[in-house]
Amino acid sequence: EDQVTQSPEALRLQEGESSSLNCSYTVSGLRGLFWYRQDPGKGPEFLFTLYSAGEEKEKERLKATLTKKESFLHITAPKPEDSATYLCAARGGSQGNLIFGKGTKLSVKP
Amino acid sequence: DAGITQSPRHKVTETGTPVTLRCHQTENHRYMYWYRQDPGHGLRLIHYSYGVKDTDKGEVSDGYSVSRSKTEDFLLTLESATSSQTSVYFCAISELTGTDTQYFGPGTRLTVL
Repeated sequence: EDQVTQSPEALRLQEGESSSLNCSYTVSGLRGLFWYRQDPGKGPEFLFTLYSAGEEKEKERLKATLTKKESFLHITAPKPEDSATYLCAARGGSQGNLIFGKGTKLSVKP
Repeated sequence: DAGITQSPRHKVTETGTPVTLRCHQTENHRYMYWYRQDPGHGLRLIHYSYGVKDTDKGEVSDGYSVSRSKTEDFLLTLESATSSQTSVYFCAISELTGTDTQYFGPGTRLTVL
């Protein structure tokens, strides 16, 4: 069964304390690994797409990486405004639809 | 932000009542999607459309129907709402399929009493 699992469910960091969020996937024929950010009461906001193992993308304090089994979202020196739920999704499987993980809720305290 | 609006943004209804949610886009994208988001679950696909009058079922389609008579509008209908359909509903659009990115609307919070 195609599946995406995110860990941890919740992460609390102090401002400036770097860390990583994990997204492991078992999806046949991966055709893209997507990261989104979701603020409370809002729709998911697109961050990155990764297509092949070894690929990396960066945006401000965020860097996403991809292996054959998992993706990491590295957050360097986070600020309180980085607090949000981060969603991972994999496209693949028989129908090629997006399969979402349950998300990691990140809280960054000043 | 992608030009996607959803209406209504909030709705409270009673069990057995028909409900229609609307998604409107100004991007002229071919693909449109309806998802639901519930605590303890990831976003789950309900239905999607790959063109005017072309729709297909997603993972959790039972109890829902959709229609798309114009490129810019995608309607989600609950023929007879049940409490299990209390959720936050998101519309998404993408220009192509395959590896293309989906962009999400602001969501509709639906409560069925």
